Amino acid sequence: KNEVEQSPQNLTAQEGEFITINCSYSVGISALHWLQQHPGGGIVSLFMLSSGKKKHGRLIATINIQEKHSSLHITASHPRDSAVYICAVYGGSQGNLIFGKGTKLSVKP
Amino acid sequence: NAGVTQTPKFRILKIGQSMTLQCAQDMNHNYMYWYRQDPGMGLKLIYYSVGAGITDKGEVPNGYNVSRSTTEDFPLRLELAAPSQTSVYFCASILQGAGSGTQYFGPGTRLTVL
Repeated sequence: KNEVEQSPQNLTAQEGEFITINCSYSVGISALHWLQQHPGGGIVSLFMLSSGKKKHGRLIATINIQEKHSSLHITASHPRDSAVYICAVYGGSQGNLIFGKGTKLSVKP
Repeated sequence: NAGVTQTPKFRILKIGQSMTLQCAQDMNHNYMYWYRQDPGMGLKLIYYSVGAGITDKGEVPNGYNVSRSTTEDFPLRLELAAPSQTSVYFCASILQGAGSGTQYFGPGTRLTVL
């Protein structure tokens, strides 16, 4: 079983829809990262959080440490949000990030 | 700041050839990482460094070597390339470890071994 599981693997939405991507993990962590990988391949960090909720523009990330679960929400989705969203946790045996396989989001106009 | 830079962007190697993937950062970050990304799989850690002169193996180090002679540079060496090393390679850096803040990624190197 993977230590970091994301769902869904693929997601297609219409422009304007509210999007939720889920991440569950099985290891103890001190921080969780959400990353965005553009269609061209580049990876950017969206959030790092260890508790509660963070918001940046139309993106909201939440984490529940007790349930070992995090969600990434996108409000009023837009085609430019089309990307792979990756969840990664910090707290593995080597003290480095453990990555989920990613959720591929496609937003249709 | 240029952030994290990687060269080359693309490379095709023949089986048995060697090459060095270059990575540099200008943010004075202590921690640097090399990952590989295979289709449909999550990023896997190859090697990492917590500072100049200090390197350690990650999850998939076989067939690779690294060095860290300066804070800025963290090259990845492939010896005797094999088709299993066909992948996209990402270098990343962070100030003080994966719990300290934003991890910055390079643009990636797409390597094909034929």
